Amino acid sequence: GQNIDQPTEMTATEGAIVQINCTYQTSGFNGLFWYQQHAGEAPTFLSYNVLDGLEEKGRFSSFLSRSKGYSYLLLKELQMKDSASYLCAVRGISSGSARQLTFGSGTQLTVLP
Amino acid sequence: GAGVSQSPSNKVTEKGKDVELRCDPISGHTALYWYRQSLGQGLEFLIYFQGNSAPDKSGLPSDRFSAERTGGSVSTLTIQRTQQEDSAVYLCASSLVRGLEQPQHFGDGTRLSIL
Repeated sequence: GQNIDQPTEMTATEGAIVQINCTYQTSGFNGLFWYQQHAGEAPTFLSYNVLDGLEEKGRFSSFLSRSKGYSYLLLKELQMKDSASYLCAVRGISSGSARQLTFGSGTQLTVLP
Repeated sequence: GAGVSQSPSNKVTEKGKDVELRCDPISGHTALYWYRQSLGQGLEFLIYFQGNSAPDKSGLPSDRFSAERTGGSVSTLTIQRTQQEDSAVYLCASSLVRGLEQPQHFGDGTRLSIL
């Protein structure tokens, strides 16, 4: 089976740094995605990791450790518009399809002024 | 349009009725996915289409759910004899298939409410 765990809620202050963790157990591994989803809107792609290490993209960075089944999304210089749900999704091998994503339940981030 | 388009954006119907949800993927994307998102939950995979291959239906929760994709483009998800537990946001996504790093691009979803 596949299992993705991430915290349900986090709160941080504008201008600060926040780290959202994700742990996973999957049948096979073909990459991990982070998506941002504002309330009532479509999830939008943030980052992709398939090799161990840190991928930096502007204010957002994502880290992966395959041996630990662990990833985190790091958001720097938080802005009010960063208040959203952050979804961790793993591409494993399930039912013969290598392209399915298994999503965590999402972490609702609230940025306070 | 440039993105994935879904219609209707909202659908309210009575228990027992059939509903059809439509997805128009990004032009050139041969992979198409349907997900369901219940309140406070993650996205639940339903079905995956890739080109002319047989669809991966492993996520469909019951035989009341079916989907088709005509001409390799537009897809419809049909729910027959709807039940209250079918209430959710139904999201469609599309992607290129060159490489597993290709992200899925999502539509805004159809919010389905069963009375």
